[in-house]
Parts: sequence; structure tokens; C-alpha cells
Amino acid sequence: EAGVTQSPTHLIKPRGQQATLRCSPISGHTSVYWYQQALGLGLQFLLWYDEGEERNRGNFPPRFSGRQFPNYSSELNVNALELEDSALYLCASSWRGRDEQYFGPGTRLTVT
Amino acid sequence: AQSVTQPDIHITVSEGASLELRCNYSYGATPYLFWYVQSPGQGLQLLLKYFSGDTLVQGIKGFEAEFKRSQSSFNLRKPSVHWSDAAEYFCAAIINAGGTSYGKLTFGQGTILTVHP
Repeated sequence: EAGVTQSPTHLIKPRGQQATLRCSPISGHTSVYWYQQALGLGLQFLLWYDEGEERNRGNFPPRFSGRQFPNYSSELNVNALELEDSALYLCASSWRGRDEQYFGPGTRLTVT
Repeated sequence: AQSVTQPDIHITVSEGASLELRCNYSYGATPYLFWYVQSPGQGLQLLLKYFSGDTLVQGIKGFEAEFKRSQSSFNLRKPSVHWSDAAEYFCAAIINAGGTSYGKLTFGQGTILTVHP
């Protein structure tokens, strides 16, 4: 069974631009979660999508947004990139919002 | 506020020695509890989980964890550590009810494990 996949592996963007990160959940999972792992800040919850709807959002500005597609894959968009957005962005999936979350390998975003 | 605390930032053990990583949680009700492991530059791998029932849970790679409600703890243990266990370990919790924390995993700060030969 394939795990959670994320693309790209690495992404380098200049400050002020937009970044798009993609995630495909484990087959059969309907929920997708996004987390940010920044140096010194630990793992922080960003967004939760289930059945195409945003269900919960962490303490991040509106320039962090996303969506979930009918096939349950998801995109995370980060607009107006700032240097402090440089981090590992982890996607996770679960069958329902209450079950354990399985993580992908992450996308390393570097803002220059 | 809901929180997960891992008191030890860095632990060093010798290969073959036993291991215990500490985790404490602060929640209004007992959350679901997890331990994850992360190798450098990689994603998180789920080691084990506690939802309810037996307070001693077994996981992958020979790890186990014990839930103690009276101490609000969920410590991870392994009887004999292998060099390949060197990684960063995260304790995490999720509330199993509605509200603003629904679906959100809260992580501890992580414990880096170094294994000496």
C-alpha cells in the first residue's frame, strides 16, 4: 500500500512569490492535514481538510491557504512568501479526523 | 491550554542499553496519544498509539509505551537500543471531541536520541 506522497521534495522561491505544495493521501483516507516544521519552532498544525472542506485551521495568516480535490489530494498555497516561511512542510492523512495520522516525507521550502 | 511536553531535549545511550523517553500532556480530558520517529530530513513515522483500554501499548521496532492517567504521562520505552534507533522522537496528542482543537495533532518539542556503539 502506497503511503502519503508529497511533491516537490524541495522548492526554492524568492521572497514575495507564491509556493504551491502538493499531497496525495493514502488510498481510502479522506482527511488531509498540513503541518509546518520550522527550525526552532517545532511542529505546528496548519490546516485540516476532510471531504473537500476546510475543517480546522492553525494560527497562521490567511496567506497560507489550500484546498482538497475530489480525489482527496490536496494543495497548500503560500502567498507573499517571507523568509520565515522556510521550513519542512509535512502532509498527513487519516481515514477520519479522529484516527491516527500518517505522514509523508515532506517538502522542504526555502525562501531566498 | 492544551500542551504536550517532552522534558528531555537530547538523550544519549549505549547500544544495547534500555531506553525511556518521557512525555507529559496537559488536556482537560484524556486525549489520544501517539509516538512518532523522524530521521534527519524525513517525515514522521508512527511508532504506536493509545486510544483507550490496556495502558501498555506495543508498537513497531520493539517499542512500547505506558499510559499513566495519574501522572498525565505516556512514556516510550525500548529494552535494548540499536544504532539504527538514533533519530528524533515526538510525542503527540489529539483531542477526540469537537471544538477548535479537533483534528489537530499537538506535538512535544521532540527528543533527539544518540546511540553510542
